[in-house]
Amino acid sequence: ETGVTQTPRHLVMGMTNKKSLKCEQHLGHNAMYWYKQSAKKPLELMFVYSLEERVENNSVPSRFSPECPNSSHLFLHLHTLQPEDSALYLCASSQEVANSGNTIYFGEGSWLTVV
Amino acid sequence: AQSVTQLGSHVSVSEGALVLLRCNYSSSVPPYLFWYVQYPNQGLQLLLKYTTGATLVKGINGFEAEFKKSETSFHLTKPSAHMSDAAEYFCAVSVVNFGNEKLTFGTGTRLTIIP
Repeated sequence: ETGVTQTPRHLVMGMTNKKSLKCEQHLGHNAMYWYKQSAKKPLELMFVYSLEERVENNSVPSRFSPECPNSSHLFLHLHTLQPEDSALYLCASSQEVANSGNTIYFGEGSWLTVV
Repeated sequence: AQSVTQLGSHVSVSEGALVLLRCNYSSSVPPYLFWYVQYPNQGLQLLLKYTTGATLVKGINGFEAEFKKSETSFHLTKPSAHMSDAAEYFCAVSVVNFGNEKLTFGTGTRLTIIP
């Protein structure tokens, strides 16, 4: 059982829909992340939060909107997505953001299909 | 900026044979190195990591990796493959630059075990 849980595990949405992905970590960590995993591409870091403050935004389109209400929860709000946004979205957490040799703990991911 | 290259997107070995997954990195500062494993329909799980000290690192499930600075490599090995080792393996490098830690993943190597 992972200390990072993601819901839903699978999501199919139309290009005009609005949906959200939810992540919760039970590890007492201060940093949380959203990654995108597409076929044949390296994992892409999307957003980084430290103590509910966004510390990194890697040129992600505005149709992806993160929200971190507290250090245990992270959301990714989705609206007007494109088919190329279909991917596995992984949430992760670590004790701190800038701590040498941090282990990052991943959730099982949310499979998103945009039709 | 750092980068990671995993040689071979697919590797097949017979059950009981040696597993060798290759990873080379580039970094302008001393790196921290990781191997993560992703089983089907799951998130990434840490196998092992190198931060400082002994260059031969032992991880879970009988895997180990050796940090070779002169070769800029961090290859993953296991003496005897088991069917349950079938998964995708990701090498990652982390450096701390001006107080920010950046983790970069390779594109992954899919390991298939032949009965």
